[in-house]
Amino acid sequence: EAGVVQSPRYKIIEKKQPVAFWCNPISGHNTLYWYLQNLGQGPELLIRYENEEAVDDSQLPKDRFSAERLKGVDSTLKIQPAELGDSAVYLCASSLVGGGPSEQFFGPGTRLTVL
Amino acid sequence: AQSVTQPDIHITVSEGASLELRCNYSYGATPYLFWYVQSPGQGLQLLLKYFSGDTLVQGIKGFEAEFKRSQSSFNLRKPSVHWSDAAEYFCAVGRSNDYKLSFGAGTTVTVRA
Repeated sequence: EAGVVQSPRYKIIEKKQPVAFWCNPISGHNTLYWYLQNLGQGPELLIRYENEEAVDDSQLPKDRFSAERLKGVDSTLKIQPAELGDSAVYLCASSLVGGGPSEQFFGPGTRLTVL
Repeated sequence: AQSVTQPDIHITVSEGASLELRCNYSYGATPYLFWYVQSPGQGLQLLLKYFSGDTLVQGIKGFEAEFKRSQSSFNLRKPSVHWSDAAEYFCAVGRSNDYKLSFGAGTTVTVRA
């Protein structure tokens, strides 16, 4: 069984440029999560999807961040414009059910460096 | 809201020695507890989880953890570490009625020969 796939693995951009991350969850997983992981910290949830619906985006900085999961499968997280402080690892995870703390399966992450 | 504290930022252990990583949580009811491991450049992999029942939980790669309600702790242990156990370890707590996981800041484990 393929795991959670993320691309790109690494991205270096200049500040004020846009950037997008892609995630393909494990087949059949209806719940998808995007996390932000700063250096030396644990992951922090940005947004959670149940199928196509963003059911919790309370921690997503909506002035510059956006996300979509149009067909309830893969998802894209975008930052526009990027700031220096956005340098971090962006993790995608998926799980079978979202109603409780079920096991979440994580992708390898995208390491973003903003210069 | 729930929270997790991992008191040790970095632990160095000799190969073959035992390892214990501490995790303390804050949550009013019975928590759902997880330990994840993250190798360099990789995503998080679940080592073990506790939802209910036996307070001593066995996981993958020879790890185990013990839930102690009186101490609000869920410490991870391994009797004999291998060089491949060098990684970052995260404890996480969730609630029974929602999906949210709160992660600790992690403990980095270095294994010396």
